[in-house]
Amino acid sequence: EDQVTQSPEALRLQEGESSSLNCSYTVSGLRGLFWYRQDPGKGPEFLFTLYSAGEEKEKERLKATLTKKESFLHITAPKPEDSATYLCAVQAGGNQFYFGTGTSLTVIP
Amino acid sequence: GAVVSQHPSRVICKSGTSVKIECRSLDFQATTMFWYRQFPKQSLMLMATSNEGSKATYEQGVEKDKFLINHASLTLSTLTVTSAHPEDSSFYICSARVFGSQETQYFGPGTRLLVL
Repeated sequence: EDQVTQSPEALRLQEGESSSLNCSYTVSGLRGLFWYRQDPGKGPEFLFTLYSAGEEKEKERLKATLTKKESFLHITAPKPEDSATYLCAVQAGGNQFYFGTGTSLTVIP
Repeated sequence: GAVVSQHPSRVICKSGTSVKIECRSLDFQATTMFWYRQFPKQSLMLMATSNEGSKATYEQGVEKDKFLINHASLTLSTLTVTSAHPEDSSFYICSARVFGSQETQYFGPGTRLLVL
């Protein structure tokens, strides 16, 4: 069964305290893995697309990596403005998109 | 990046009325748009996939007669919630897939619907 699981559900970090969010997936024929940021009451904002194991992408304090079974979103020296829910989505071979339930990140000044 | 807009951002209506939500891709053409709903602290639930010029494909359990989708052009899709009831209150989000590209979806800002 195709599935996407994100962990942890919630994460509280001190400003400057680096950490990683996890997205584990089991899908048939991965076509792409997507990371989004969602602020309360707003639609998801696109961050990254990863297509194959070993691929990495970076944007400011964020870095996404991909293996055959999971993806990590690394946050280096986070700031309070990085507080948001981070969603992971996977596109399977049949063109279906599967979303995780997200990780709610709070960065404390 | 690609920009997707939604209108209205917030709507309150009486039970039994119909509500139309517009989703526009502002700077690109989208052959495919998606409609999701999201409950508090939950992930996105795909309702339907909308292809320009053809009928929408609805996910299992989504009533197509209640949630009417029209994808009239490459930049506009509409979702009409017919005879809305309080249980239809939710956050509705559309997304658009960039024409001719890989599979990235770009999301609109969402529409908060409250049915009294």
